[in-house]
Amino acid sequence: NAGVTQTPKFQVLKTGQSMTLQCAQDMNHNSMYWYRQDPGMGLRLIYYSASEGTTDKGEVPNGYNVSRLNKREFSLRLESAAPSQTSVYFCASSESLAGGRGETQYFGPGTRLLVL
Amino acid sequence: KNQVEQSPQSLIILEGKNCTLQCNYTVSPFSNLRWYKQDTGRGPVSLTIMTFSENTKSNGRYTATLDADTKQSSLHITASQLSDSASYICVVSSYQAGTALIFGKGTTLSVSS
Repeated sequence: NAGVTQTPKFQVLKTGQSMTLQCAQDMNHNSMYWYRQDPGMGLRLIYYSASEGTTDKGEVPNGYNVSRLNKREFSLRLESAAPSQTSVYFCASSESLAGGRGETQYFGPGTRLLVL
Repeated sequence: KNQVEQSPQSLIILEGKNCTLQCNYTVSPFSNLRWYKQDTGRGPVSLTIMTFSENTKSNGRYTATLDADTKQSSLHITASQLSDSASYICVVSSYQAGTALIFGKGTTLSVSS
């Protein structure tokens, strides 16, 4: 049981380049999330998917797109990377939408992205 | 504005000592409060989740308390170990549409021998 896996672990991009961050979970969870974590700030939600076939914007969606490919996989795409997108990106999953119901979220190991 | 404030920002203690981390929140309406542990270079891991009706919850040497009236929570670590060195993040959830989790900035704990 790998839990939540993310690829790649590290990436360096030049401004304007595009890339896709991959996330997969093997816990049969319905809900998945993408967060970014910056020094001195709490985790901020970029996009989430409450269930297969649905996606919604979080707190900081500008500059990103997502795809819920199937129940297991949720990808995050940067179409034209900017230095402000330098961050650590975490994918997470939960059995149902985490929030009012107290569902436990399980996080992946993160992707460290540097945009030059 | 919904906010979660944690204190102290960082803390250094000797191995074997106890410590308490604080979390104050202004989230409304309140649903539940979580504490996560994040080791350096890793993703956060859930320690406890408490609802409005719970005022204490333990997970091994970790004990979280919640006072919903004063909107305060604490995480008490007993007999600290070197492996407790990490960032501890307080997260408050609101009963709103979508996933309304508000993350604190975390307290960085260093346990030295």
